[in-house]
Amino acid sequence: DTAVSQTPKYLVTQMGNDKSIKCEQNLGHDTMYWYKQDSKKFLKIMFSYNNKELIINETVPNRFSPKSPDKAHLNLHINSLELGDSAVYFCASSLNDRIETQYFGPGTRLLVL
Amino acid sequence: GEDVEQSLFLSVREGDSSVINCTYTDSSSTYLYWYKQEPGAGLQLLTYIFSNMDMKQDQRLTVLLNKKDKHLSLRIADTQTGDSAIYFCAETESGGYNKLIFGAGTRLAVHP
Repeated sequence: DTAVSQTPKYLVTQMGNDKSIKCEQNLGHDTMYWYKQDSKKFLKIMFSYNNKELIINETVPNRFSPKSPDKAHLNLHINSLELGDSAVYFCASSLNDRIETQYFGPGTRLLVL
Repeated sequence: GEDVEQSLFLSVREGDSSVINCTYTDSSSTYLYWYKQEPGAGLQLLTYIFSNMDMKQDQRLTVLLNKKDKHLSLRIADTQTGDSAIYFCAETESGGYNKLIFGAGTRLAVHP
């Protein structure tokens, strides 16, 4: 009964490939997020969706495209993967898009070769 | 823009208290958070404090907030080897959506 789950846990791929990471939450939350953690452990928000609508879009290359088919799911598709995309990607969710605690998934470790 | 700073490393002996410090820039942050990340794991919410509080205690954890100095600290009493992890301080960006701004994380190493 994991609250925020992500698949896959590990992803190793070649430069230039296209890949997707999936996230699901069973908390009944309205808002979901994607964060990127680089090799130095810096964590930075990428996107946020509230009830399937994009509300936060940081300065992220347009090779990254989030999609929210319903409010329990937020997927991240990455086109033309580059070496610099190697990182840990964390999904999170919160009750709504105001000041509410965010709960994080276990992360997806992406390695681009 | 908003910024959150933390010292990068802390080493303590098992049984001692650990104090992890954080400074932030956004004086209108409503909540401030502490998250814990164990090696190879995700982020676990440890505790949070509302900006109108000075202190919050939760078992071995004590959070102190000095709004004037924009300083937040996390004290772990009787530190155990299982407390070895990276501790992230985070604030919510004011005036907008629920965007967390994280510090760089403090690596806590607990040795016998």
